[in-house]
Amino acid sequence: NAGVTQTPKFQVLKTGQSMTLQCAQDMNHNSMYWYRQDPGMGLRLIYYSASEGTTDKGEVPNGYNVSRLNKREFSLRLESAAPSQTSVYFCASLWVNTEAFFGQGTRLTVV
Amino acid sequence: GNSVTQMEGPVTLSEEAFLTINCTYTATGYPSLFWYVQYPGEGLQLLLKATKADDKGSNKGFEATYRKETTSFHLEKGSVQVSDSAVYFCALSSNTGNQFYFGTGTSLTVIP
Repeated sequence: NAGVTQTPKFQVLKTGQSMTLQCAQDMNHNSMYWYRQDPGMGLRLIYYSASEGTTDKGEVPNGYNVSRLNKREFSLRLESAAPSQTSVYFCASLWVNTEAFFGQGTRLTVV
Repeated sequence: GNSVTQMEGPVTLSEEAFLTINCTYTATGYPSLFWYVQYPGEGLQLLLKATKADDKGSNKGFEATYRKETTSFHLEKGSVQVSDSAVYFCALSSNTGNQFYFGTGTSLTVIP
């Protein structure tokens, strides 16, 4: 049982480049989330999708876009990467009123 | 609105010491409460949870009790080990069940 799978695990981008972070879950969860984690800042919600076909902004959405491709997959896109987007990104999913399950994270460095 | 406030770190303890990490919350309705642990270089793992008032979650020697009267969910362990060194996050799941809120995390280092 794979749970939540994120790709890639590591990425280095140059300022202005674009990329998409992929996330897939195999637990049939309705809700999926993208967080970023920065030192001393805890986890901050970027975007979430309460169900297939819907997406909503979280606390820090600027500079990001998301796509809920189907029930399993929720991708995060950086259109024009900036050094301020250097962070560790986590995808999570959950069923109603259960715990959230997390992927292993993507360590992104923008130079 | 919903929010979680947890004790700031870092916390450094000697092996076998008693651990408390405070967590309080603000929520509408009846949230579920969680503690997650993050070991260095890894993602977050569920440590324990409680879904209603007065429930006690426990796992690996850690415990936390859902206290509605004080809106708290403090994490405790009677005797910490070096292997407990990690970052601990308190979290709540909203009444509707599809929103998750995290505290800022508390870094724990246990020294031999």
